[in-house]
Amino acid sequence: EDKVVQSPLSLVVHEGDTVTLNCSYEVTNFRSLLWYKQEKKAPTFLFMLTSSGIEKKSGRLSSILDKKELFSILNITATQTGDSAVYLCGSLENYGGSQGNLIFGKGTKLSVKP
Amino acid sequence: EPEVTQTPSHQVTQMGQEVILRCVPISNHLYFYWYRQILGQKVEFLVSFYNNEISEKSEIFDDQFSVERPDGSNFTLKIRSTKLEDSAMYFCASRREAASFRSPLHFGNGTRLTVT
Repeated sequence: EDKVVQSPLSLVVHEGDTVTLNCSYEVTNFRSLLWYKQEKKAPTFLFMLTSSGIEKKSGRLSSILDKKELFSILNITATQTGDSAVYLCGSLENYGGSQGNLIFGKGTKLSVKP
Repeated sequence: EPEVTQTPSHQVTQMGQEVILRCVPISNHLYFYWYRQILGQKVEFLVSFYNNEISEKSEIFDDQFSVERPDGSNFTLKIRSTKLEDSAMYFCASRREAASFRSPLHFGNGTRLTVT
């Protein structure tokens, strides 16, 4: 059973469009929610969210967490072809004194057409 | 900017052979991880490592797998007797030494393992 569920699984838009990617999670001992962008190889870090309702922003990307409803969204405005990638959402959970493990969803594959 | 480096980038091996995947985490990071991604599937947690011992491991990380930090810089994943289903991209990740959960995991570029 998936603990982290992302939607949609794939999305095709045109340059200039705004997109919203969704991530819901159901984990015990939740600590943080993380967004990564995966192009060809390594997932690269975008955002880490620990508090509800506080938007994190980086250029055209922004993200927010709702700990009551257990979801997060990633927004990308004025999309560019370089935004084409798989966007991974991960929930960082820990048990007792452990260092915490990052559990990923299946990802949303975003394709931005020129 | 410091980064996690992994070698080799691609490893081809025959079924039943042992492989060692190598990683150099970011210096001064103390928490280390291995993940794998089978083609077309999600990134899956394998094992976490801290203070020279395994912290947690997933069901995937069975007796065929082992991890080691043989010196102050390398972090290795060994698969003793590879199976066809071990073919995947293996990612190493590290996290800052802080004990809080405000530090993200930083991933290497991965080693693509192909078992024939």
